[in-house]
Amino acid sequence: GENVEQHPSTLSVQEGDSAVIKCTYSDSASNYFPWYKQELGKRPQLIIDIRSNVGEKKDQRIAVTLNKTAKHFSLHITETQPEDSAVYFCAASTGGFKTIFGAGTRLFVKA
Amino acid sequence: GAVVSQHPSWVICKSGTSVKIECRSLDFQATTMFWYRQFPKQSLMLMATSNEGSKATYEQGVEKDKFLINHASLTLSTLTVTSAHPEDSSFYICSARSPDGDTQYFGPGTRLTVL
Repeated sequence: GENVEQHPSTLSVQEGDSAVIKCTYSDSASNYFPWYKQELGKRPQLIIDIRSNVGEKKDQRIAVTLNKTAKHFSLHITETQPEDSAVYFCAASTGGFKTIFGAGTRLFVKA
Repeated sequence: GAVVSQHPSWVICKSGTSVKIECRSLDFQATTMFWYRQFPKQSLMLMATSNEGSKATYEQGVEKDKFLINHASLTLSTLTVTSAHPEDSSFYICSARSPDGDTQYFGPGTRLTVL
């Protein structure tokens, strides 16, 4: 069945450094790739998304890249801040129907 | 925009009783809503897809008679956990699909504890 793998499961960086989270997907029909941030006990919040007709998208300190051929997509956070500490989930979707989530990456930003 | 509410935020019940959780899209109409279950430090596990005016589609391994889903209007879906047992204790989160058809917006979740 469809699968999304996410790495690493835990990531610890120093404040100001960059953080990169990588995901791979199995369903070649996937065409929408959102990223969610979930703080402890709270709802997942959409932080950025990318569609399959775009290779890269940036929003301030956050960027996402997509390699359709390799079925890879990545989240890049630059100049990390303590408030970036949270669990990040990648996901792959086909036409907005079933969305498959990665296992999550727990990001710690040390001040 | 794109706000999804969920009620209650937490509930404690006795084993054998039923619990209803409501998911509402407050400022948009959602023909499709999703119900997820999340265990501590784990990912979101899709339980079922709720379609307005029709039967829900359940994922493999999810008992439809135990987790009753009703999507009676374009802004409300409900999940009823019937005959709850301690192993049903979990964080249940709903989401609503945006009008553009791609993005999911999540509710704040309901923490269910079954004693």
